[in-house]
Amino acid sequence: NAGVMQNPRHLVRRRGQEARLRCSPMKGHSHVYWYRQLPEEGLKFMVYLQKENIIDESGMPKERFSAEFPKEGPSILRIQQVVRGDSAAYFCASSPDRVQETQYFGPGTRLLVL
Amino acid sequence: QKEVEQNSGPLSVPEGAIASLNCTYSDRGSQSFFWYRQYSGKSPELIMFIYSNGDKEDGRFTAQLNKASQYVSLLIRDSQPSDSATYLCAVRVSSGSARQLTFGSGTQLTVLP
Repeated sequence: NAGVMQNPRHLVRRRGQEARLRCSPMKGHSHVYWYRQLPEEGLKFMVYLQKENIIDESGMPKERFSAEFPKEGPSILRIQQVVRGDSAAYFCASSPDRVQETQYFGPGTRLLVL
Repeated sequence: QKEVEQNSGPLSVPEGAIASLNCTYSDRGSQSFFWYRQYSGKSPELIMFIYSNGDKEDGRFTAQLNKASQYVSLLIRDSQPSDSATYLCAVRVSSGSARQLTFGSGTQLTVLP
């Protein structure tokens, strides 16, 4: 499978727990982006990463959210002490390292906070 | 926050007709424009991208860009029921390190058999 991979596809957490969402970019892609889609709303940018670097986190909530893209392994979006308002679909996209690159989306992780 | 606007619809067209989806954007520094299709409960799927003024055709899809009017559109010819989905317009302002896409809220298209 050469596409963007995300897991888990569905995640249920209780309020106060931690959620870890993983994303493996397409082969040959070195840029990863995380977006969030709240129910009945559009996609909103959260963070842009390259290997071992956060390039732009202007869309990340200031608290409880963090992201990383280590040298080895997938990119991780971590949400600490989840609240019901965090329930959403979280999509990862990847792109190659070219100026006008297109972004290809993974299947998403649907997070439900009880 | 850069703004991308789309008519939310729903837009209904009969099978075989042309569906026209429109999008306007506010940032004149926008350089790249994308149309994604999203079926309910699924992830966005790239349909087309366009960078230069004018038309770009790919099969039944034509993207049109007018940077002076800050307007981008998607035409779907010979619409099929399988085209029923939400269509997302996305814009990228490539300045400095910023490469993220700004999405419109989407237009829901229904193609009636």
